[in-house]
Amino acid sequence: QSALTQPASVSGSPGQSITISCTGTSSDVGSYNYVSWYQQHPGKAPKLMIYEVSNRPSGVSNRFSGSKSGNTASLTISGLQAEDEADYYCSSYTTSNTWVFGGGTKLTAL
Amino acid sequence: EVQLVESGGGLVQPGGSLRLSCEPSGFTFTTYSMNWVRQAPGKGLEWVAYISSSSATIKYADSVKGRFTISRDNAKKSLYLQMNSLRAEDTAVYYCVRAVRIGGIWPYFDYWGQGALVTVSS
Repeated sequence: QSALTQPASVSGSPGQSITISCTGTSSDVGSYNYVSWYQQHPGKAPKLMIYEVSNRPSGVSNRFSGSKSGNTASLTISGLQAEDEADYYCSSYTTSNTWVFGGGTKLTAL
Repeated sequence: EVQLVESGGGLVQPGGSLRLSCEPSGFTFTTYSMNWVRQAPGKGLEWVAYISSSSATIKYADSVKGRFTISRDNAKKSLYLQMNSLRAEDTAVYYCVRAVRIGGIWPYFDYWGQGALVTVSS
């Protein structure tokens, strides 16, 4: 199972919106609405930010939103804040009944 | 509050073995499927292994199949990862991770431990 494809880095200024893409195949992202997104600050454990493509867990800011089209999912962060600077990983359940992650995207708040 | 605490990490020589443990608290462990996910230094996340609540279903990533064994003891409320024939490329932080159920599957992860570092080196 190959990793999902994410851009290595994205950046934005405070207040702006950014979008991180996550491209898979018909065996993972394209087959299910089971895409999730995780935020990881340096030295910390990942934190669930989005599940089932577009749902936010309790306590996650509504500045975070998710979507999917075909084999590509996206995470959008609006009103970028300095605290959003972190690594972001997408994940998908697969038709092999396993899980696959993206390679990760480093978000820099300029 | 849900907590997952890993232990058992350390330095091991190539070809050696190590067993990681995970102690959960704050939820009914016996009703949740669990996973191990690892992250090599400076690299991304990689799913390693899955075990259902009753241990009836177990799955492994191809990279560890035949070398790693996931298990759990519901009476002791503990999750384990036995790692044998370790290689340099197994060097990583290993996270104990709780899965969330939707229907008959467990498609994503809601709580992560702080991780245990495993270093494979001579």
